[in-house]
This record gives sequence, C-alpha cells and structure tokens, in this order.
Amino acid sequence: DIQMTQSPSTLSASVGDRVTITCRASQSLNTWLAWYQQKPGKAPKLLIYEASSLDSGVPSRFSGSGYGTDFTLTINSLQPDDSATYFCHQYSGNSWVFGQGTKVEIK
Amino acid sequence: QVQLVQSGAEGEKPGASVKVSCKASGYTFTDCYIHWVRQAPGQGLEWMGWISTKRGGTKYAQNFQGRVTMTRDTSTSTAYLEINSLTSDDMAIYYCARQFSGSYYLDYWGQGTLVTVSS
Repeated sequence: DIQMTQSPSTLSASVGDRVTITCRASQSLNTWLAWYQQKPGKAPKLLIYEASSLDSGVPSRFSGSGYGTDFTLTINSLQPDDSATYFCHQYSGNSWVFGQGTKVEIK
Repeated sequence: QVQLVQSGAEGEKPGASVKVSCKASGYTFTDCYIHWVRQAPGQGLEWMGWISTKRGGTKYAQNFQGRVTMTRDTSTSTAYLEINSLTSDDMAIYYCARQFSGSYYLDYWGQGTLVTVSS
C-alpha cells in the first residue's frame, strides 16, 4: 500500500503570511491527490482536486501543485478563517489514503 | 443542491453492531460512489471503503475487511454502513462522502454520525 507523509503536523503563522504544507507519497500518484480543510466539529471540505484544481467557491489564495510523489498546498496571505486542519488524500490502485493532517493556527 | 444527510448519533455496547445511514439528494444517486471515512476523537481521517451505488460492488480497506458491510438502497437513494463486533476502538465520527464516477476525490460529505461504544 502507498504511504502518505504529510508535514508539518502543526504550524503557527500570522495573518498575511504565506503557508506551505507538503505531502509525500511512497509511490507515484500521477495527479490523483486532493486537499481538504476541516474545522472543529465539521465535516472535511474539498479545497483542491487533481493536485492543482481549485474546487468551486474556494478562495484563490489557496493553491496546489505537484506531480508523482511530492505535492504542496499553499495558502497565500493567510486569513483568520483559515485556522483549521488540512488533509491530503490520495487515490492509487483502488486504495485511498489520507495524510496525517496539518493543524494551522493563527498567531 | 447536493446533500448527504446521515442518521443520528448511536450508542452501543461492546460486541454489538451498528448501522449508519446516508441519504443523498440533489443529484442522481447512481452517478456516484459513496465512501465511508471515520475519525476517532482528536485523530485524523481513516478511509474505510466504498460502494458502487449503481452495481452494489464494494471495496473495503484492509483494516475493516470482514467486520464492515456497505450496502445501498437505490429506491431511497440511501447508503448504509454496518459495523459488527464493536469495540471501544470503533468510537468515532463516521462520515459518508461521494465520489463522482470518473473523478478521484470526495466532493460532498455528510455531516457525520457519532458512534459511542460503552458498557
């Protein structure tokens, strides 16, 4: 099975900062990677699909990149509403795996 | 609009079974797979498996094979997750989510169902 390593596990940044979260897969995923945002007590929400496509209604300060084994979620100009936990999620060979999550805190 | 509405919280004893439902609306039910994902308290997301709403075929994650059954009722656009032989490790929020056929991501999620296991 493919293993996903997401980092960092937590980060603290100020409003307006640029934030980067990475996910590394143990095998190539092509672009079958998605990113989700989860706030406390809520279901996850899709942000990015196919590594770099922004889901409808998601603010343009969110972006995704990567191919193969290394993927990145970037939040440009961090906002207070971005305080949440972010998960990467991969599909490969009929198996789906989530990253461990990154908790983003606002300083 | 697309909605996945799950059944309410459940409290069960160890060794019992629980069945959670996920009712879909706002789209053609058989156009999408339904996945189940669980989240233990304070933990991350764990993929459990999917069911093809069109044909009823299933794929379970290795950790859940033999103890979990996913079914669907196309007449009511509802998917079900049944977990047998509950232990305290099964105490979690269970989410259903849809995958549109041909895509490889989960674009709509249910609100979650809390399952507690206690004697």
